[in-house]
Amino acid sequence: AQRVTQPEKLLSVFKGAPVELKCNYSYSGSPELFWYVQYSRQRLQLLLRHISRESIKGFTADLNKGETSFHLKKPFAQEEDSAMYYCALSRQGGSEKLVFGKGTKLTVNP
Amino acid sequence: DTGVSQDPRHKITKRGQNVTFRCDPISEHNRLYWYRQTLGQGPEFLTYFQNEAQLEKSRLLSDRFSAERPKGSFSTLEIQRTEQGDSAMYLCASSLANEWDNEQFFGPGTRLTVL
Repeated sequence: AQRVTQPEKLLSVFKGAPVELKCNYSYSGSPELFWYVQYSRQRLQLLLRHISRESIKGFTADLNKGETSFHLKKPFAQEEDSAMYYCALSRQGGSEKLVFGKGTKLTVNP
Repeated sequence: DTGVSQDPRHKITKRGQNVTFRCDPISEHNRLYWYRQTLGQGPEFLTYFQNEAQLEKSRLLSDRFSAERPKGSFSTLEIQRTEQGDSAMYLCASSLANEWDNEQFFGPGTRLTVL
């Protein structure tokens, strides 16, 4: 079964503090992992994907196949990072359906 | 092209009525997806099209739901005999189906409230 688990519904940190949003998955095969973000009153948008290995807005995520995790990290959180974050997976190499986690609401306090 | 658009943005209907939503994808995108999102949940896949062909439907999609993409451009999602449990945000996304660029771009969603 394909499943994405985000154990934290809410996460609150202070500006400048490190932040880690957890994501674990189960998938039979080789998935492609994504982080999507939704800022207040905006549409869902791609933040990063494991294949590109990019750092976007200071965020990074490493795919750990042994632990089936894809945690999102940022060393110094900013207030503008406050948003809903969704971890998602799809079949690798295919433009097929995304399976999303329930999301984590990140609040960065001043 | 301002991205994926959806119409209407909000729909309030009474139980038992039929509703239809429209999605206009990014013009060169050949794949179009429908998702549903309820409060406190992530988006759940409903169905997707490649051009005009409907390639997969979720088991979540009951017989009351039907989606079309007749000319491979815009798509419609119809819900017949709506129930209160159908209240949700309905999201549309589109993408190019190629191995180097498969990012899904999402629309703003249509929020359905069934009274």
